[in-house]
Amino acid sequence: DARVTQTPRHKVTEMGQEVTMRCQPILGHNTVFWYRQTMMQGLELLAYFRNRAPLDDSGMPKDRFSAEMPDATLATLKIQPSEPRDSAVYFCASGLVRLGNNEQFFGPGTRLTVL
Amino acid sequence: DAKTTQPNSMESNEEEPVHLPCNHSTISGTDYIHWYRQLPSQGPEYVIHGLTSNVNNRMASLAIAEDRKSSTLILHRATLRDAAVYYCIRGYGGSQGNLIFGKGTKLSVKP
Repeated sequence: DARVTQTPRHKVTEMGQEVTMRCQPILGHNTVFWYRQTMMQGLELLAYFRNRAPLDDSGMPKDRFSAEMPDATLATLKIQPSEPRDSAVYFCASGLVRLGNNEQFFGPGTRLTVL
Repeated sequence: DAKTTQPNSMESNEEEPVHLPCNHSTISGTDYIHWYRQLPSQGPEYVIHGLTSNVNNRMASLAIAEDRKSSTLILHRATLRDAAVYYCIRGYGGSQGNLIFGKGTKLSVKP
């Protein structure tokens, strides 16, 4: 049963520290998405990649966030330096996106708490 | 901007059908309608999607109005496990693949 995996599942860190979240998309999927979910803002799209190339990262605070796909099996989302307002659940999703089919498979999320 | 409107919450009784409405009056001709749901403490999961015709799958049915300005997700027999937030999403035309989630409808199911 193929699924998206994310590590770590939980992360507590102090303000100013670097945080790296990892995602392993489903093998064969061509698109990887990063979302952030908070009570106030709901689910927000941060960035997404197609065939490992960044397509759109306009939802991401550029000064502290960065997203990469070093290879087809790994996507990373990095925050440096982290701030308390970054506390949220971060979801990675992947999909074999083509015209008319936007089905995305979500991972379990990384719950980040920045103190 | 999600550009869809859904009720904040709905209640249902177990084993009864549930009709979850969604308005998308500004939808364009090439936009698909997608439904996802998010169970407590989990990531969202795909439910169903469609363009013009009604669609059925093992999870639900999607009824799309003839003018496409609204749609209804139908759960034929609600179970306690169906308690979740249901998101109606316009999938923008083309093959970008990005989805803009709104606030969704929180469905409660009573035994």
